[in-house]
Amino acid sequence: ETGVTQTPRHLVMGMTNKKSLKCEQHLGHNAMYWYKQSAKKPLELMFVYNFKEQTENNSVPSRFSPECPNSSHLFLHLHTLQPEDSALYLCASSRNPGGGGELFFGEGSRLTVL
Amino acid sequence: EDQVTQSPEALRLQEGESSSLNCSYTVSGLRGLFWYRQDPGKGPEFLFTLYSAGEEKEKERLKATLTKKESFLHITAPKPEDSATYLCAVGQAGTALIFGKGTTLSVSS
Repeated sequence: ETGVTQTPRHLVMGMTNKKSLKCEQHLGHNAMYWYKQSAKKPLELMFVYNFKEQTENNSVPSRFSPECPNSSHLFLHLHTLQPEDSALYLCASSRNPGGGGELFFGEGSRLTVL
Repeated sequence: EDQVTQSPEALRLQEGESSSLNCSYTVSGLRGLFWYRQDPGKGPEFLFTLYSAGEEKEKERLKATLTKKESFLHITAPKPEDSATYLCAVGQAGTALIFGKGTTLSVSS
C-alpha cells in the first residue's frame, strides 16, 4: 500500500461538469494538503487541513471546494472550471502542519479542462 | 517577500560528469530546507531535509549541503537514471512549504 494514493490519475472535464479528486493517506499523518502544479511554475499551495480542520486557504477560487472528512481522506470538488485550471493536482500529507516537517506526496491527478 | 530560487533551470550532463544544483532562499525563521526528486507525470519524492547551516546529507550519488542563504545538491558521477526534476522547498513556522520552480536534470550516456 503506497503512502499517499490519489484517484483518478487522469481526468478530462468540460467547463460545466462537476467532478471530484480523492486522496487517501496511509501514514498516520495529521495534516493534509492540496497543491497545484503548472508548467514553469513552482508548486502552488491551495489548501491545508490539520486534524481535518482547514487551516489555510491560499486565495483559491470558489470553483475549487475541499473536503476533509477525517485525517486520512481529502477531496477536492471541482465545478465550472476554466481551461487555465488544467494542471497536475498533488495531494500531500505530513506528520504535523507547519514548515518543519517533510511532505509526502501522491502521484497526482492530471486534470484537463476543455 | 519570501522567495525560493533554483538554478539552473535546466542542466544537461554526460554520464559521470559531476555538477551541482543551487537553491537560494530569502525566508525568515527557516525551519527546514527540503529536496525532492520528481519524475515526469509523478508526484515529488522526498530526498533530504537540512535544518541548520553546515549540515550535509548523502544518498547514493547525491549530497545536499546548507548555508545561511543557499543549499546545493551535488551530483557525483551521475547516471541516466538520475534524470529528473529536482525541487527545493523551505519551511517556516506556521505555514506550509514554499517551493522553487525546480531544476530539470538530463543525464545522457
